[in-house]
Amino acid sequence: LAKTTQPISMDSYEGQEVNITCSHNNIATNDYITWYQQFPSQGPRFIIQGYKTKVTNEVASLFIPADRKSSTLSLPRVSLSDTAVYYCLVGDMASGNTPLVFGKGTRLSVIA
Amino acid sequence: NAGVTQTPKFRVLKTGQSMTLLCAQDMNHEYMYWYRQDPGMGLRLIHYSVGEGTTAKGEVPDGYNVSRLKKQNFLLGLESAAPSQTSVYFCASSFSPRDRSYLDEQFFGPGTRLTVL
Repeated sequence: LAKTTQPISMDSYEGQEVNITCSHNNIATNDYITWYQQFPSQGPRFIIQGYKTKVTNEVASLFIPADRKSSTLSLPRVSLSDTAVYYCLVGDMASGNTPLVFGKGTRLSVIA
Repeated sequence: NAGVTQTPKFRVLKTGQSMTLLCAQDMNHEYMYWYRQDPGMGLRLIHYSVGEGTTAKGEVPDGYNVSRLKKQNFLLGLESAAPSQTSVYFCASSFSPRDRSYLDEQFFGPGTRLTVL
């Protein structure tokens, strides 16, 4: 399984764009990149998934460079309610691999 | 749809006691998972199931057993609880990741907070 590295914590002011970068140097050809969000006392919630280039949904954007060795989750104009832990996962269960590893994630604190 | 539900929400056990955590999903998902999360840590996979009647070990399976007798239910058992098993336990489910028409999205339950004294 591809190992991921992401910052332990980040701080941001309300209204700013936040970019969280995840490094995954040994990503495999079939691997997808998935991000989850976890609020205190809740289970994680799927945010976005991508394979290459850019993916955007109503919550976030995911930027993946051509070499796919890293990815960046972009949260536009964060609010206090975006304070959470964000997990980057890399893998491909469709290939029969073992389930994805969550790791410790990035703790984002949004300040008023 | 209730999504993923977990029973109970809280439990306090004494060392050596046994208990079963129940996870139920009404989304007809093939895959189900049990995780534990300790303070300040990420989620660690205990066991998972790729379909009714099948189970497999995750990262930290020791001290736990699981059963998937019905597609909608995934049970996690602690035969002899230890203080090291004090944690928050999350259950999750997903469509079969073998079908690439679906995203590999796991739907999580609200968690069970377990304390072993």
